[in-house]
Amino acid sequence: NAGVTQTPKFRILKIGQSMTLQCAQDMNHNYMYWYRQDPGMGLKLIYYSVGAGITDKGEVPNGYNVSRSTTEDFPLRLELAAPSQTSVYFCASSRDLQGARQPQHFGDGTRLSIL
Amino acid sequence: AQKVTQAQTEISVVEKEDVTLDCVYETRDTTYYLFWYKQPPSGELVFLIRRNSFDEQNEISGRYSWNFQKSTSSFNFTITASQVVDSAVYFCALSEAKSTGNQFYFGTGTSLTVIP
Repeated sequence: NAGVTQTPKFRILKIGQSMTLQCAQDMNHNYMYWYRQDPGMGLKLIYYSVGAGITDKGEVPNGYNVSRSTTEDFPLRLELAAPSQTSVYFCASSRDLQGARQPQHFGDGTRLSIL
Repeated sequence: AQKVTQAQTEISVVEKEDVTLDCVYETRDTTYYLFWYKQPPSGELVFLIRRNSFDEQNEISGRYSWNFQKSTSSFNFTITASQVVDSAVYFCALSEAKSTGNQFYFGTGTSLTVIP
């Protein structure tokens, strides 16, 4: 099973560029999440989705946008990259909200540097 | 205010020693969930355990055990007879429901190094 797949694994952007981080899961999970992990810190929730067509803000949504047109895909978009967005981004999915009864499954992460 | 506090930033132990990782959380909710994740040097996140707020029974899984105490808002994690492969960053996390949506909070992690 592929689980949660994130692409790309690494990316360097210039300030002001835009890009989309891709996330796909093949477990038919309704719930998907995007987190960022800054160096030496825990994860912070950026956005989450409870199903296709439904998204909501997490703790640190500013500077990001998401969409959920299908159950499988949950892309994260950076419109105007800023150095403060240099981080490792993790996508996750779960069968129920916040892994209440089933755990969250995480992707391998996307390491993003804004220069 | 930090919702999840892992006061131990780094811990080093010699192989076969026992080690306890502390986690203190803050919430006003009566229903919430607590988690531990392991992040090895390769970077991926590995789910270890999930606990709901109504189940304070301690749990043991092999060399791992968890002590959940609502009275002290703590959810500590003990590794018995540590091994080099246990070297990783361990994150404690809290999930609570809000009127604006569910939130998920991670602690800053405890970096464990097991010395052979």
